[in-house]
Amino acid sequence: EAQVTQNPRYLITVTGKKLTVTCSQNMNHEYMSWYRQDPGLGLRQIYYSMNVEVTDKGDVPEGYKVSRKEKRNFPLILESPSPNQTSLYFCASSTTGSYSNQPQHFGDGTRLSIL
Amino acid sequence: DAKTTQPNSMESNEEEPVHLPCNHSTISGTDYIHWYRQLPSQGPEYVIHGLTSNVNNRMASLAIAEDRKSSTLILHRATLRDAAVYYCILRLFYNQGGKLIFGQGTELSVKP
Repeated sequence: EAQVTQNPRYLITVTGKKLTVTCSQNMNHEYMSWYRQDPGLGLRQIYYSMNVEVTDKGDVPEGYKVSRKEKRNFPLILESPSPNQTSLYFCASSTTGSYSNQPQHFGDGTRLSIL
Repeated sequence: DAKTTQPNSMESNEEEPVHLPCNHSTISGTDYIHWYRQLPSQGPEYVIHGLTSNVNNRMASLAIAEDRKSSTLILHRATLRDAAVYYCILRLFYNQGGKLIFGQGTELSVKP
């Protein structure tokens, strides 16, 4: 089954403790992206990747890092999490994200709480 | 990206058709109209997209006004599983970052 898998689905942690949210897709997609969803603000793009070893900032990249060493994986790294990064995070993938005739596939989300 | 306007919420009865409207009066000639939906506790899910002509797929139909300033997502027979927030999104054909701009969407509730 074609899917985007995020782990963990839920995490409660403390300020400053490094964490990584993994994202994996099995559709051989070139494009992957991370969003965060907050009440009243909708979904906002954090980082995206057009292909292996090619990443770029989205609208709200501060406090986050990403890497794209393999096509299928696109982990989101919070080196020193802070409470304002408490949010619901979604990973998405697509054949080629730049062209709007390609649908994007989303994972089921990771709910992070940072105390 | 041009802006879209959708009603905050709509109600439907199960097994009846649902017409979800979207206004996009500032749409440009190169904007595609996309619809995604988000079911409770899930990520957004692609529904359908189009440019000028009406489009059909297994999930829904998209009716686009002749002047392209509005569109309607049609669910032919609503089921309880269709209860979700529906987002109407405009996208340039080519968008370097591939970003989807989600507005507030329409929350659809389906009554048995």
